[in-house]
Amino acid sequence: DGGITQSPKYLFRKEGQNVTLSCEQNLNHDAMYWYRQDPGQGLRLIYYSQIVNDFQKGDIAEGYSVSREKKESFPLTVTSAQKNPTAFYLCASSNTGVLDYGYTFGSGTRLTVV
Amino acid sequence: GENVEQHPSTLSVQEGDSAVIKCTYSDSASNYFPWYKQELGKRPQLIIDIRSNVGEKKDQRIAVTLNKTAKHFSLHITETQPEDSAVYFCAALDRSNDYKLSFGAGTTVTVRA
Repeated sequence: DGGITQSPKYLFRKEGQNVTLSCEQNLNHDAMYWYRQDPGQGLRLIYYSQIVNDFQKGDIAEGYSVSREKKESFPLTVTSAQKNPTAFYLCASSNTGVLDYGYTFGSGTRLTVV
Repeated sequence: GENVEQHPSTLSVQEGDSAVIKCTYSDSASNYFPWYKQELGKRPQLIIDIRSNVGEKKDQRIAVTLNKTAKHFSLHITETQPEDSAVYFCAALDRSNDYKLSFGAGTTVTVRA
């Protein structure tokens, strides 16, 4: 997956349940991002982190939480407060402070509420 | 912050014809503009990018042009093939907002055989 791994590929959540999506990168990138993608839609930013132990809300953070305890890892928890969590979730990483600002994306996790 | 608009939202072309996707951006300080291709159910992948110190960049059948004065940039795909069918996203570096990429809404390209 080009150095950034998301797991699981498919995830099913019951009503009222919290679930955690994993994102790990071995690219030594400083910044990591979580996006949500609904069918036929674009990329909406949930949370991002530019440094360990620090993260910022994106455009649609409500009902989600994150942590950044290690540079390599940026897990996303979809809480029961997220009323419509069925979507495709993409994690990405990038370098900051250098000339190459391009993102590398993981292969995604498809979350379905059952 | 940066605002990126992308047009058209859908594009259908005959195999062998060219496809052009246009994006505009709002922040004149933006200096990096990547394009991503996302096939159905897959992750977006960088296909080409351009920096503000050049006006055009080519890579085989794809090219990107940048007009800094007008604040728009375009993706050109020549001699389209069925494997070019995908969603394409443009983006601009938002230097005023933590150097994040601001993405366009995407263009669904369908190449008809």
